[in-house]
Amino acid sequence: DVKVTQSSRYLVKRTGEKVFLECVQDMDHENMFWYRQDPGLGLRLIYFSYDVKMKEKGDIPEGYSVSREKKERFSLILESASTNQTSMYLCASSIGGLGTQYFGPGTRLTVL
Amino acid sequence: DAKTTQPNSMESNEEEPVHLPCNHSTISGTDYIHWYRQLPSQGPEYVIHGLTSNVNNRMASLAIAEDRKSSTLILHRATLRDAAVYYCILRDVGELGNTSGAGSYQLTFGKGTKLSVIP
Repeated sequence: DVKVTQSSRYLVKRTGEKVFLECVQDMDHENMFWYRQDPGLGLRLIYFSYDVKMKEKGDIPEGYSVSREKKERFSLILESASTNQTSMYLCASSIGGLGTQYFGPGTRLTVL
Repeated sequence: DAKTTQPNSMESNEEEPVHLPCNHSTISGTDYIHWYRQLPSQGPEYVIHGLTSNVNNRMASLAIAEDRKSSTLILHRATLRDAAVYYCILRDVGELGNTSGAGSYQLTFGKGTKLSVIP
């Protein structure tokens, strides 16, 4: 079975802190994604990576950056956390452009 | 992307079959129909997908109308563990040739159908 793991299930940070969310997949997938999920807004894509060191902006990249130094690991970085970044963050991976996306369990981030 | 319409919520009794409908009247010839579900406090998980023919797997069946303007996800015997939000999503294979970056690959989730299973 494909496994996508995220570094934390719950995280509480203060405004202005730098926040790192880590995602690791064990199936050698080329594509990795970061989404955020908010009530009433569904899932929105923040960033996408199709290969090591390659990235594409999604719908809402402002305030976020990403890093993919190794194929299995995709990190989401909040340079200076703000309260409007309080959300559920979901990482996913897939093989191929139309491949099934496999999601991690999510990280619920609260920024105070 | 073509849009989908699903009921906000449905209820089912445990061990009964469940039929979850999805309308997609503007579907294009290159759109695949995907279903994902999200259990409480978990990330979404893939359920099934199809193009024209009905599909079966260990989790569910997918029945696709002949004109492809609607589809139905069928859970043959609902269990309490099937209580989740079910999302019907269209994915356009035709977009894969475009160099539009993330847009070609992302999943666009609507509001989905919240399925409650009654013991």
